[in-house]
Amino acid sequence: ILNVEQSPQSLHVQEGDSTNFTCSFPSSNFYALHWYRWETAKSPEALFVMTLNGDEKKKGRISATLNTKEGYSYLYIKGSQPEDSATYLCAQTEGAQKLVFGQGTRLTINP
Amino acid sequence: DAGVIQSPRHEVTEMGQEVTLRCKPISGHNSLFWYRQTMMRGLELLIYFNNNVPIDDSGMPEDRFSAKMPNASFSTLKIQPSEPRDSAVYFCASRPTANTEAFFGQGTRLTVV
Repeated sequence: ILNVEQSPQSLHVQEGDSTNFTCSFPSSNFYALHWYRWETAKSPEALFVMTLNGDEKKKGRISATLNTKEGYSYLYIKGSQPEDSATYLCAQTEGAQKLVFGQGTRLTINP
Repeated sequence: DAGVIQSPRHEVTEMGQEVTLRCKPISGHNSLFWYRQTMMRGLELLIYFNNNVPIDDSGMPEDRFSAKMPNASFSTLKIQPSEPRDSAVYFCASRPTANTEAFFGQGTRLTVV
């Protein structure tokens, strides 16, 4: 993997259901993995920053895991609510400096 | 702190004109990033600075684009001459260290007609 890649590109989930999506990144030169939440007409806001293999972080109904050896991270949302609708961005800090983003997963929660 | 401040919020200009976008990072943040949001590429990194020094400008699309950071509290992104395909939202972000989150400005929506 040469770039930060996210899947799926878009996702529609029924309110109350749980969901997850994936971020893949180059495992060489890894420094940190970030997740951001980006609402329409606003700026991206950070959810998590993870640096250690096996890291798990949680904020309310949202959690994330990190596998630096195989180069992937999962973001989980439990019991989706309409306010969770947003684009979720994954980003990698390469070589302790460069911050590169994936294309994002656009999540829509259907009431 | 008021956060990362970008100006202007909206810019409409004619093709061929010079455009300057401005960014004031959060005080004490050592890194500053310029991104361009497009439908095709999402958030595309244009250039970033560490301690006011440009580190990697490989994302700058062509010579018409240039960026400066004359001091720790100010950066500019200049497009000269501008073209319609430069129309996009340009974001500035800053962060204190490499393993911390980046904070984004509100963005500048540029329209070149």
